[in-house]
Amino acid sequence: QVQLVQSGAEVKKPGASVKVSCMGLEYTFTAHYMHWVRRAPGQGLEWLGWINPNSGGTNYAQKFQGRVTMTRDTSISTAYMELSGLRSDDTAIYYCARDRRTVETPDYYYYMDVWGTGTSVTVSS
Amino acid sequence: DIQMTQSPSSLSVSVGDRVTIACQASQDIRDYLNWYQQKPGEAPKLLIYAASNLETGVPSRFSGSGSGTDFTFTISSLQPADIATYYCQQYDNLPITFGQGTRLEIK
Repeated sequence: QVQLVQSGAEVKKPGASVKVSCMGLEYTFTAHYMHWVRRAPGQGLEWLGWINPNSGGTNYAQKFQGRVTMTRDTSISTAYMELSGLRSDDTAIYYCARDRRTVETPDYYYYMDVWGTGTSVTVSS
Repeated sequence: DIQMTQSPSSLSVSVGDRVTIACQASQDIRDYLNWYQQKPGEAPKLLIYAASNLETGVPSRFSGSGSGTDFTFTISSLQPADIATYYCQQYDNLPITFGQGTRLEIK
């Protein structure tokens, strides 16, 4: 069935960067937008942005502009999210989430219908 | 950014209870609202999309309603498997924003 498999847990020092991967299985990777969402301890869900895996186009939440970079490698059906300048409040579980919306549809909606396994990122000195 | 306010933030419930969660948007979002369920140690799961549409495979005891700024999520008869945190999410304007979550716990 459709799955998103993410890379393993990371521990980073403040100021470092982290790059999380997300491999899409059993669907056409380039057909659907991919979101990145995080959940910090004791906090709610927070959206970082999306990538269009077909074109490579991105849309980032303003809060993360300049610190986040979303890329993809279509040859291996994998999306990446890199966050730089890490701080302790970036400690969170990071999820990729496929959107039901295809990159070709003119309709406007965002339904995150398949979620990744999650990647724990801990920022600590 | 559009602020999403959920109430209550937590709820003590019993099996068989009717559970209602409210979600209010800081501005009109039409029906551009989804509901997710997240259990401890798991990824979120889409339950309701476009305010009132039940995702395929989701039990019919879950429902959603509302439009504009005020939305409601209901579980008609709570089952043990429904113990989780529930989030509303708007997509009328980017950035996508979520409510702070409503955590259900067994009374």
